Amino acid sequence: GENVEQHPSTLSVQEGDSAVIKCTYSDSASNYFPWYKQELGKGPQLIIDIRSNVGEKKDQRIAVTLNKTAKHFSLHITETQPEDSAVYFCAASENTGNQFYFGTGTSLTVIP
Amino acid sequence: KAGVTQTPRYLIKTRGQQVTLSCSPISGHRSVSWYQQTPGQGLQFLFEYFSETQRNKGNFPGRFSGRQFSNSRSEMNVSTLELGDSALYLCASGSGEVNGELFFGEGSRLTVL
Repeated sequence: GENVEQHPSTLSVQEGDSAVIKCTYSDSASNYFPWYKQELGKGPQLIIDIRSNVGEKKDQRIAVTLNKTAKHFSLHITETQPEDSAVYFCAASENTGNQFYFGTGTSLTVIP
Repeated sequence: KAGVTQTPRYLIKTRGQQVTLSCSPISGHRSVSWYQQTPGQGLQFLFEYFSETQRNKGNFPGRFSGRQFSNSRSEMNVSTLELGDSALYLCASGSGEVNGELFFGEGSRLTVL
């Protein structure tokens, strides 16, 4: 089955700096890569996603890049704010429904 | 529009017992997925139900089972509980579209003593 690895496990940045989280996957059949944000005591929430026919996608301060050849994808957050502090999960999926393989998460702390 | 509702939110069981967790998806959603979240393993996929049929299944033992009713509400059951089953169980609702957005509930936190 698919194996998704995520780094780093913890990340601290100063407010206004950028944060980058990286993930790798093993199954070349995976073609959908969402990113979820989980705040304390809440369920994960989708923040951005990318499909295999696209190399980069941007939504305001958040961007995701995908390198299918190398089987890795990354989340970039610019101009970080304290409310960006949360745990971020990457995931990968094939066209089989809603079966997602998640990374182990990155705890991001933005220091005011 | 009401979100995903999971009950109970917290429960404590002892080894060998069984437990049933419930999930009410967003109105109109036909897909319900279940994930187990633990500090060391992250989110692991249990199973997905779509229109009362199991569409996908993860690599969990047969002690973990689920079902979906005609109103799209879903239940999952864990029999013969083990200490390692202590976790946050998350339910996610979706429209049913393949690789569509998942809307997660706040989870049911199970502690096995």
